[in-house]
Amino acid sequence: GENVEQHPSTLSVQEGDSAVIKCTYSDSASNYFPWYKQELGKRPQLIIDIRSNVGEKKDQRIAVTLNKTAKHFSLHITETQPEDSAVYFCAATNYGQNFVFGPGTRLSVLP
Amino acid sequence: DAGVIQSPRHEVTEMGQEVTLRCKPISGHDYLFWYRQTMMRGLELLIYFNNNVPIDDSGMPEDRFSAKMPNASFSTLKIQPSEPRDSAVYFCASSPPGQVFNQPQHFGDGTRLSIL
Repeated sequence: GENVEQHPSTLSVQEGDSAVIKCTYSDSASNYFPWYKQELGKRPQLIIDIRSNVGEKKDQRIAVTLNKTAKHFSLHITETQPEDSAVYFCAATNYGQNFVFGPGTRLSVLP
Repeated sequence: DAGVIQSPRHEVTEMGQEVTLRCKPISGHDYLFWYRQTMMRGLELLIYFNNNVPIDDSGMPEDRFSAKMPNASFSTLKIQPSEPRDSAVYFCASSPPGQVFNQPQHFGDGTRLSIL
């Protein structure tokens, strides 16, 4: 089955700096890679996703890059703000099979 | 759109009691998922339904756990008998028709369950 690792487990950045979270996956046939943000005590919410036929996707301050050869994908947040503080989860699935969440990264944006 | 609605938001009960968690998916979504979230194990998929039919329950931890979806707008997750190690936040999520897991999942606010 799929195995998803996520690094780092915690990340602290100064407001205005960039943050990068990286996930690696094991199933080379995986085709869909979403990222969810979970604020403290709240529900996970999708913030961006990417499919295997695309190398990069951007939405305002958030971007995701995918390297299929190396089997990793990364979340990039630019110009971080205090409201970006949350736990971020990556996930991967192989055409609906073996859907797995990563263990999460706790991002703290310091004012 | 009201989103995915879960009840109760919090549940505190004594071990051995039956616990029933409820979920109403977004109208028009035909996939429904139950997840459990703990610090130790993260977000775990317990079971999912497609058009009210259970498709994969391999994540259900024990026979004490059961889930049903009697119609397109309602699902329950039951634990009987409950144990302290079942304490967790339980999320329900739904997604629209299409290939399962290849679309955004919409989560409810969760039920925080504490078994004493």
